[in-house]
Amino acid sequence: DTGVSQDPRHKITKRGQNVTFRCDPISEHNRLYWYRQTLGQGPEFLTYFQNEAQLEKSRLLSDRFSAERPKGSFSTLEIQRTEQGDSAMYLCASSPTWGTGELFFGEGSRLTVL
Amino acid sequence: QQQVKQSPQSLIVQKGGISIINCAYENTAFDYFPWYQQFPGKGPALLIAIRPDVSEKKEGRFTISFNKSAKQFSLHIMDSQPGDSATYFCAASQDPTGTASKLTFGTGTRLQVTL
Repeated sequence: DTGVSQDPRHKITKRGQNVTFRCDPISEHNRLYWYRQTLGQGPEFLTYFQNEAQLEKSRLLSDRFSAERPKGSFSTLEIQRTEQGDSAMYLCASSPTWGTGELFFGEGSRLTVL
Repeated sequence: QQQVKQSPQSLIVQKGGISIINCAYENTAFDYFPWYQQFPGKGPALLIAIRPDVSEKKEGRFTISFNKSAKQFSLHIMDSQPGDSATYFCAASQDPTGTASKLTFGTGTRLQVTL
């Protein structure tokens, strides 16, 4: 039984560097979401895909952030020119298009920007 | 800005006691209200969810109470156990297709159940 997997689990980078996170959703799930969670806060919605189409982006997703899901399977989230404020846990979730509404989250990718 | 306000921020309950976490929302278009449980180092996992057409939903030791007129909902954990120690998030969403997608989360409640 494979759930949502994310890679890397931890990333430490210096300010100004680019980082990329990968998410592999549950295979039969058409929808894929990215959320960001900072310490002591709830997850905040960033963006979501229906298959390969990016249907919504939060205002939190600045121009330095880009997400792709080129073949409707895995997704990548890239952050360019990282800033210390980007330090957070980046959570990926997936769901079927017609389901109960449940999101299945991965364990997250923790980013630390020095 | 759509918001979901959650309280308390932290909660300590003795084993066997009742844990109660409250949430309030503003957007009357929300029609799906889940609770997620998160253990350290893990992603959130759905615990229980409710739609506004019912006032209460119970699954085992977990109950959601929903008050549409007050725009409030709460999670009750009966017979709390040390294994329930985790952070709990309420959330809400609207989705015209009938399935929840973009969730707005509360700020979380860190629950500690003591022996």
